[in-house]
Amino acid sequence: QVHLQESGPGLVKPSQTLSLTCTVSGDSISSGFFYWNWIRQPAGKGLEWIGRISSSGITNYSPSLRSRVTILVDTSRSQFSLKLSSVTAADTAVYYCARGLEFNFWGQGTLVTVSS
Amino acid sequence: DIQMTQSPSSLSASVGDRVTITCQASRDISNYLNWYQQKPGKAPKLLIYDASNLGRGVPSRFSGSGSGTDFTFSISILQPEDVATYYCQQYDNLVTFGGGTKVEIK
Repeated sequence: QVHLQESGPGLVKPSQTLSLTCTVSGDSISSGFFYWNWIRQPAGKGLEWIGRISSSGITNYSPSLRSRVTILVDTSRSQFSLKLSSVTAADTAVYYCARGLEFNFWGQGTLVTVSS
Repeated sequence: DIQMTQSPSSLSASVGDRVTITCQASRDISNYLNWYQQKPGKAPKLLIYDASNLGRGVPSRFSGSGSGTDFTFSISILQPEDVATYYCQQYDNLVTFGGGTKVEIK
């Protein structure tokens, strides 16, 4: 069974960079051809796709966030990561990682609050 | 960008009712459309993939149809445990989610 787990700071100051890691177990992040995604959800609102990275390192980002987002993969640690720069309160959300084009496996989500 | 317009934004129905949610894409996305169920405090769960295929272990009362720009998601016999928010998601060009439909029991 594939398991994904998000980790990282729960509080980030405005203008700083949000950094999260998703650790994958039960599957090899470098085998097959899967996309590894980041999605976020502000409290009481809908889902917003942030971007993805393939097992070969190809990235795609949401046009609305592209200028601030970097997604990397570390196959040796079976992890992929999210960096979101110049954050504001509007970036406060639960951040999820998920596998695939149809997101059949998700992490439990981690709340990141942007506040001074 | 492909926009996904989901309706209604909320609905209230009785146990045993048939519930239908629609999702319209701003351009042709073939059948690259998935449906998710999200319960409060939980990650979304894949119910339907590629417009009409039932996800693993998903009860058969859930179904999906459509192609091109117009898609429908249905719950044939609403159960109390189906109270949740449902989202459509296209992946023909990058990824976009619909705005969600909150389903409640009347």
